[in-house]
Amino acid sequence: SQELEQSPQSLIVQEGKNLTINCTSSKTLYGLYWYKQKYGEGLIFLMMLQKGGEEKSHEKITAKLDEKKQQSSLHITASQPSHAGIYLCGAEGSGGSNYKLTFGKGTLLTVNP
Amino acid sequence: NAGVMQNPRHLVRRRGQEARLRCSPMKGHSHVYWYRQLPEEGLKFMVYLQKENIIDESGMPKERFSAEFPKEGPSILRIQQVVRGDSAAYFCASSPLPSGGAADTQYFGPGTRLTVL
Repeated sequence: SQELEQSPQSLIVQEGKNLTINCTSSKTLYGLYWYKQKYGEGLIFLMMLQKGGEEKSHEKITAKLDEKKQQSSLHITASQPSHAGIYLCGAEGSGGSNYKLTFGKGTLLTVNP
Repeated sequence: NAGVMQNPRHLVRRRGQEARLRCSPMKGHSHVYWYRQLPEEGLKFMVYLQKENIIDESGMPKERFSAEFPKEGPSILRIQQVVRGDSAAYFCASSPLPSGGAADTQYFGPGTRLTVL
């Protein structure tokens, strides 16, 4: 079965600093999702990547999928307290079960003002 | 446009009782997915339903757990005779089409946090 490893597990940054979160898969990624979760709330969809080398940006967040499609990174530029939360990467299943998302354990981001 | 709604948000049950978790998908979405998040673990897929049909329940424990998505009304995840190990956050997601690909993103609800005493 596919496993996703996220690093770091937690991260504390000063407001205004840049940061990167990584997600590494044990198998080829066919679809990779990034979500943000705040405690007590659901997952907020950020971005979805499918093609090797693909890069997407939304406001100050950029996500990339490497050429080999086994690693993705999420980069936040000039972090703000509103970026704080748990970032989760999720991978689509394969073999006709692409609806079955497998998630990493998450990266807890704290942004100090 | 309301998002995915789940209720209750918090549920406390004693061992042996039944837990019923409800999920109302986003308007226009007819595909529902349930996930469980155990403490210190990632979300794990449990079951995928369309209206009146269970498509894939491979992630759901064979005993005590059941799910339905009737023609009218919300999707229900039912846990009978709960045990302490069932304590977790249960999330539901929905999509307008079968999920898979950029057009069919799963949108998640706020979750139900089940505590079994």
